[in-house]
Amino acid sequence: DAKTTQPPSMDCAEGRAANLPCNHSTISGNEYVYWYRQIHSQGPQYIIHGLKNNETNEMASLIITEDRKSSTLILPHATLRDTAVYYCIVRPLFNAGKSTFGDGTTLTVKP
Amino acid sequence: NAGVTQTPKFRVLKTGQSMTLLCAQDMNHEYMYWYRQDPGMGLRLIHYSVGEGTTAKGEVPDGYNVSRLKKQNFLLGLESAAPSQTSVYFCASSLAREGSYEQYFGPGTRLTVT
Repeated sequence: DAKTTQPPSMDCAEGRAANLPCNHSTISGNEYVYWYRQIHSQGPQYIIHGLKNNETNEMASLIITEDRKSSTLILPHATLRDTAVYYCIVRPLFNAGKSTFGDGTTLTVKP
Repeated sequence: NAGVTQTPKFRVLKTGQSMTLLCAQDMNHEYMYWYRQDPGMGLRLIHYSVGEGTTAKGEVPDGYNVSRLKKQNFLLGLESAAPSQTSVYFCASSLAREGSYEQYFGPGTRLTVT
């Protein structure tokens, strides 16, 4: 299974873009990149996912490098409510059982 | 539309006691999952189900059993609780669209085993 590496913590100023990196250098061709976040001790919340193209939704943008070995989650205008632990995971196309979350990045948005 | 609900929210058990955690979803999702999260760590998959009547082991299945008798419900059982099972347990569900496993999580059950 592809493993992911994320920085343990990051800070961001309120209103600025938050760019959260993730390394997944062993990703295989049939694995998607997913991002979730967990606010306080709530259940994780799905943010976005992608295979090889950049993706955007109402919450964030996902930029995947051409070689697919790394990706960046972008929160365009971070607010205090975006303070959370952000998890980057890779998941095979046809195996729902490969759903391991790493330790994630704790993002702190500061006023 | 309640999404994913979990019962109970909190529970304290003594070592050796048994209990069942209930997860229910009203989104007609095929897949359901049980995770545990220890303090300061990420989630680890215990068991999952790809449909009614089917279950499979995840990353850390020992000491747990599951059942999926109805599509909307996924039960997690602890037959003989141990202090090492003190954790927060999250249930999730997802559709089975090809390549898309957007999971929706419940609020969690905080279990303490003394």
